[in-house]
Amino acid sequence: DMKVTQMPRYLIKRMGENVLLECGQDMSHETMYWYRQDPGLGLQLIYISYDVDSNSEGDIPKGYRVSRKKREHFSLILDSAKTNQTSVYFCASSRGQNTLYFGAGTRLSVL
Amino acid sequence: GEQVEQLPSILRVQEGSSASINCTYENSASNYFPWYKQEPGENPKLIIDIRSNMERKQTQGLIVLLDKKAKRFSLHITDTQPGDSAMYFCAASGNSGTYQRFGTGTKLQVVP
Repeated sequence: DMKVTQMPRYLIKRMGENVLLECGQDMSHETMYWYRQDPGLGLQLIYISYDVDSNSEGDIPKGYRVSRKKREHFSLILDSAKTNQTSVYFCASSRGQNTLYFGAGTRLSVL
Repeated sequence: GEQVEQLPSILRVQEGSSASINCTYENSASNYFPWYKQEPGENPKLIIDIRSNMERKQTQGLIVLLDKKAKRFSLHITDTQPGDSAMYFCAASGNSGTYQRFGTGTKLQVVP
């Protein structure tokens, strides 16, 4: 069963706290992504990972970092979260430049 | 330029009529153009895609057209139903080293 799993689904944090969003996929896809979705802005790429320890910045990487130590797992870290990082975060995976398979999303609120 | 422009942002159509969404891209090296549908509270899911070696593709009431010269592609939903109400996103990407960039989305409302 092709699946991208995100944890947690909902998260409330205070400004300045650290945030860890986790993502797993069972399709052995080399490429994984972190997007954030905000009303009127669509899906903006934060980071892309082409394989283990092969990560590149997307369009809006500032304030975020990522970790990929296993092909099936990709983490997004917010060190000292800010209120403007309140958003819905989607993880996705793909085989090369093909269809993206998205996780269910994490709704993050930074108060 | 890597931007993908998508219009309209909101589209309201009568049930049974057609709906059209248009996107333009800047990077002439783009060769893959997927369309995703996102229902409220859900994740985006692929509904149809087209590659640059085609000009037209059709599947189950969906038609995509690609005009490489104008760097424009479009989604046409024929005989719209209430279940077609959702957000729709276009995207464009090229070969390795580039990644899918998304349009800002179209909220489609199909009214009885």
